[in-house]
Amino acid sequence: DADVTQTPRNRITKTGKRIMLECSQTKGHDRMYWYRQDPGLGLRLIYYSFDVKDINKGEISDGYSVSRQAQAKFSLSLESAIPNQTALYFCATSDWDRGQETQYFGPGTRLLVL
Amino acid sequence: AQSVAQPEDQVNVAEGNPLTVKCTYSVSGNPYLFWYVQYPNRGLQFLLKYITGDNLVKGSYGFEAEFNKSQTSFHLKKPSALVSDSALYFCAVRDPPGGDYKLSFGAGTTVTVRA
Repeated sequence: DADVTQTPRNRITKTGKRIMLECSQTKGHDRMYWYRQDPGLGLRLIYYSFDVKDINKGEISDGYSVSRQAQAKFSLSLESAIPNQTALYFCATSDWDRGQETQYFGPGTRLLVL
Repeated sequence: AQSVAQPEDQVNVAEGNPLTVKCTYSVSGNPYLFWYVQYPNRGLQFLLKYITGDNLVKGSYGFEAEFNKSQTSFHLKKPSALVSDSALYFCAVRDPPGGDYKLSFGAGTTVTVRA
């Protein structure tokens, strides 16, 4: 979805390095999410934010941190990257319809940790 | 906790034939169900959702899904598959308001449509 952008699209880094993945959205949504995708495991939630001052851990937050710099921006950081963090990372935003959310995803960032 | 299962890792069909991608769910209370598609080197795209109402939900690209409460299933269907439908499909479920906010995804089903 062109309204949710992620940078970089691909990144190769070394073990122990700090890296940041960035997400921006033009949808005006309050809620933003970070997921990682691994083959055979589907998508797993890392962190989510319901607004600029509300950040919450997901099911696999260890080794990650996030920053919600503004409504439109939500960054994911790996403080000290390790090889098992090699994955495809997705940012998402959400809106509400009849009391339920629908999430819209960015194009993904493919990360390789050597 | 809510969960979904996609029992087939891969589905192969010939172009023009019906396509079905299976999904079963396990939730406490009424489910809210979603289908997403991921084309090669692309992000996930929303296809359709079931919240309430008709059990047959119509979505993007000619896809539809049938909610079956007695069988706890939400299978994705397309009457006549196209080669361009070849992609990775994810089923997802969310508990109703008041429950866990989390959207849980299945492991995904790779669909290959041959010409």
